[in-house]
Order: sequence, then structure tokens, then C-alpha cells
Amino acid sequence: TAGITQAPTSQILAAGRSMTLRCTQDMRHNAMYWYRQDLGLGLRLIHYSNTAGTTGKGEVPDGYSVSRANTDDFPLTLASAVPSQTSVYFCASSRGEADTQYFGPGTRLTVL
Amino acid sequence: GQNIDQPTEMTATEGAIVQINCTYQTSGFNGLFWYQQHAGEAPTFLSYNVLDGLEEKGRFSSFLSRSKGYSYLLLKELQMKDSASYLCAVRDSNYQLIWGAGTKLIIKP
Repeated sequence: TAGITQAPTSQILAAGRSMTLRCTQDMRHNAMYWYRQDLGLGLRLIHYSNTAGTTGKGEVPDGYSVSRANTDDFPLTLASAVPSQTSVYFCASSRGEADTQYFGPGTRLTVL
Repeated sequence: GQNIDQPTEMTATEGAIVQINCTYQTSGFNGLFWYQQHAGEAPTFLSYNVLDGLEEKGRFSSFLSRSKGYSYLLLKELQMKDSASYLCAVRDSNYQLIWGAGTKLIIKP
């Protein structure tokens, strides 16, 4: 069982460029989440989706957008990257919003 | 504001016991989670507490006191592979997880 996969594993991006981070889960979980993790800080929620077709903003949504066209996929898009978006990005999923979250392996993004 | 506090770093000896504390102030409470995160890897689920008391799972136990806004993770018979960061997270009234910055646990032989 793959669980949650993320792509790419790592990426170096020029400031001003756009990029989409991919996340796919095969557990048929309804809820999915995007977090960023920065040194010295806790995980911070960017966007979430409680079910296919719906999305919501988390703690730090500015500069990011998401879509949830189906149950399995939850891509995160940076429209015009800035250096402050340099971070490790984790996708997570849970059966429902009240259930335990399980994490993908992460994408390490560097914006120069 | 919402806040989760845990020590930045702790050191313990192989075979010993260590207790990692977490205090929280959040908008509502719908459960507390502990995750383990090895360097360069994803967080993995360890334990969940929603009622006061101790939950035991093998070498790991987690305690919760809702009235004190306090939890701890107890690791017994420490092994070198337990060297990792331990993340405390509280689910708030909106069912979103609020995360502490994590405690880096260093195990020495």
C-alpha cells in the first residue's frame, strides 16, 4: 500500500516562477491537508479539504492555492514563488476531519 | 492566541526513561496527538488522548490533564532509534491541529 505520495521530493525554484506540488493518497480518505514546516516552528496549516469538491484556508494560505477535483488528489500551487516560501511541505490525509492524520514524505522547496 | 509549548531539546541515556512535556492554550479542545519525526522524514502518529488519564502503548505512554492544559509523552527502555523529534498537537474547536515546534530527543549510549 502506497499511502500518501508527494512529488517532487525536492525542487529549487526561481522567485516569480509558478509550481505545483502534487499529493496523491490511495486510502480513500475524505480529508486532506497541506502543511509547511520551518525550523523552530510547528507545522502550519496552509489549506485543507474535508471532502472532494471543497477546500478551506488554514493558518498561512497567502500565496498558495489548492483544488480537490477528486478524492485521491490534492495539488498545491504557488502562483508566483517568493523566497519566504522556502520550506518543507507535507501533505496529510485522514478518514474524516475528526480522525488521525497520516503524512506523506514531504517536498523540500527552495525559492531563490 | 493559540499556543503549544514543549521543550526544544532533551538528552537521555539508552535504556533509561524520559518524559516530554507539552502545555497548551487553544480555542477549544478535541483531542491531543503525539507524533514522532525522524530527521528528514515525515511525522508518524504515536498516540491520541481525548480524556484525562494515561494511555499506554508498548514502550510509549501518553498522559493528559485537560484542566491543566497539560500532556506528557513517556518513553521507557530508550533505544538509539528513539532519537527523533516528538511533536505535540492539539485539535481545536474547528477540528484543526495546532502544532508545537517539537522536542528533539537525543539518546546517548
